[in-house]
Amino acid sequence: DSGVTQTPKHLITATGQRVTLRCSPRSGDLSVYWYQQSLDQGLQFLIQYYNGEERAKGNILERFSAQQFPDLHSELNLSSLELGDSALYFCASSNHPGQEVPLHFGNGTRLTVT
Amino acid sequence: GNSVTQMEGPVTLSEEAFLTINCTYTATGYPSLFWYVQYPGEGLQLLLKATKADDKGSNKGFEATYRKETTSFHLEKGSVQVSDSAVYFCALSGESNTGKLIFGQGTTLQVKP
Repeated sequence: DSGVTQTPKHLITATGQRVTLRCSPRSGDLSVYWYQQSLDQGLQFLIQYYNGEERAKGNILERFSAQQFPDLHSELNLSSLELGDSALYFCASSNHPGQEVPLHFGNGTRLTVT
Repeated sequence: GNSVTQMEGPVTLSEEAFLTINCTYTATGYPSLFWYVQYPGEGLQLLLKATKADDKGSNKGFEATYRKETTSFHLEKGSVQVSDSAVYFCALSGESNTGKLIFGQGTTLQVKP
């Protein structure tokens, strides 16, 4: 058990809809990372937060947004969903000041857009 | 831009066989290099890392050496077990001090008893 909790585990929704994915980092970890894993693109970095502030941004679509709350949990919001957004979305966390890489990954949320 | 190329799988080995999974990279500067492992139904776990040339990362019997001259970071294990069956990802740090990792496509390892 990595200590990172992601909910829900599975999500099925229709094109054009909006969903929110939730992540609770490992206790004490200040950094949260979001990754998208799809068959054609592989694992892609989306965004990182450190103690509530955006730290780094990847190729995250404008339809996607994220935030980290004071209690350190994070949410990834996906809107105007398209079929191509179907993927496994991972959250990861760490707490290594000065060398921030994702150490602990959750089991992911599998999003299916129909 | 930065990229990582892994050998295609699946790799199928018998228990106690020697394992090598090749990983090469293209990067500007001096990135840190990582191997992650994903067991069935789980998220990724950091397996080992190396932060500079000639560093050797090791964990759980796995090793990888950061070879700047060949831009490689091959994963090796002397004797694999059935429990090592998983998907292995090579990655490099896209930007220092951030979690912006660039991953390879992953290599599936299946170990048969």
